[in-house]
Amino acid sequence: DIQMTQSPSSLSASVGDRVTFTCQASQDISTYLNWYQQKPGKAPKLLIFDASNLETGVPSRFSGSGSGTDFTFTISGLQPEDIATYYCQQYDNLPTFGPGTKVDIQ
Amino acid sequence: QVQLVQSGAEVKKPGASVKVSCKVYGYTLTELSMHWVRQPPGKGLEWMGSFDSKNGETLFAQKFQGRVTMTEDTSTDTAYMELSSLRSEDTAVYYCTTDKGVGNGVVFDPWGQGTLVTVSS
Repeated sequence: DIQMTQSPSSLSASVGDRVTFTCQASQDISTYLNWYQQKPGKAPKLLIFDASNLETGVPSRFSGSGSGTDFTFTISGLQPEDIATYYCQQYDNLPTFGPGTKVDIQ
Repeated sequence: QVQLVQSGAEVKKPGASVKVSCKVYGYTLTELSMHWVRQPPGKGLEWMGSFDSKNGETLFAQKFQGRVTMTEDTSTDTAYMELSSLRSEDTAVYYCTTDKGVGNGVVFDPWGQGTLVTVSS
């Protein structure tokens, strides 16, 4: 199975900051990489698919990039409503999720 | 617009089985590939498996092989996930979700609201 790692596991930033975190796959997954946002007590929400495609209705301050084994997720201008845990998910053969990055406001 | 509505919370004893349902609104179940993902309290997301109505194919994560069953009732557009031989480590929120059918891989959207399964003696 393909293993996913995310770093950092948590971060704290100020409103308006540019926030970046990463996801790494244990082997090449091309761009088969999606990003989800999960707020406490809620189901995950799709934000980005195929590494860099913004889901319809998702604010443009969210973006993703990368291919192969290394991927990056960016929030350009952190907002209070962005407090959540963000998970990457790969699909090469069977889906697996990364352990998540928890984003907090300073 | 697809909407997934899951059954309510369950409390089970170790060794028992639990069956969680997921009803589809706004679409026909036979057009969807239904996946199940669980999340233990305070922990991350874990993909369990999937059932594809279009071809009857099931896929399971290795750790659940032999212990999970995924079925569907197309007359009511309801998918089911049954997990047997429950142990305390199976305490989790269980989600159903579908493959959105965009992009090049499996993209999960939408999701059900989740069903908390508590395993306790």
